[in-house]
Amino acid sequence: DQQVKQNSPSLSVQEGRISILNCDYTNSMFDYFLWYKKYPAEGPTFLISISSIKDKNEDGRFTVFLNKSAKHLSLHIVPSQPGDSAVYFCAAITNTDKLIFGTGTRLQVFP
Amino acid sequence: KAGVTQTPRYLIKTRGQQVTLSCSPISGHRSVSWYQQTPGQGLQFLFEYFSETQRNKGNFPGRFSGRQFSNSRSEMNVSTLELGDSALYLCASSLGSHTGELFFGEGSRLTVL
Repeated sequence: DQQVKQNSPSLSVQEGRISILNCDYTNSMFDYFLWYKKYPAEGPTFLISISSIKDKNEDGRFTVFLNKSAKHLSLHIVPSQPGDSAVYFCAAITNTDKLIFGTGTRLQVFP
Repeated sequence: KAGVTQTPRYLIKTRGQQVTLSCSPISGHRSVSWYQQTPGQGLQFLFEYFSETQRNKGNFPGRFSGRQFSNSRSEMNVSTLELGDSALYLCASSLGSHTGELFFGEGSRLTVL
């Protein structure tokens, strides 16, 4: 049972445009959400997080939005750059501190 | 400071064999988590160790086991390997707080033939 879902396995965006990556979750007990980025042959690296008491968190070009009623979060990258091309994983923390990852979305930013 | 180090980076085994993977966390980090990454499945949580104790466990069979030493280094073992165990095994370390910010190693890529 996949508690954290990323329904789009891939996304292609032109450089300079906005990239929107989506994530849905099923467990209403999740109280902290994160996005990780992974390049080939490297481990995932932490990108941005959001607590369930907030609905938005911004860090430079990256903004994460949380809609608790819809159990949905999204990552916006503006403007998108070729170096953003990677696999993006959303993740949620359970009340037992277990980090559950989604299946990932491969973002390709083309010139 | 040095990052998370995993060894070996690549290995090939045959069905029925067993394998041990090693992870050295960032200095000062007491929590070590293990994840399995396969195409289409994302990062599947295996287990987490904190101060030598297993604190969390995922939904993997008993063939998958782990341990953590007093210096926080961790090992995971997979016995009676199956073809489906072929994957990238990632180790991550953290201070162990409830923020989820993990620092990952580059992974150990296991191929089972």
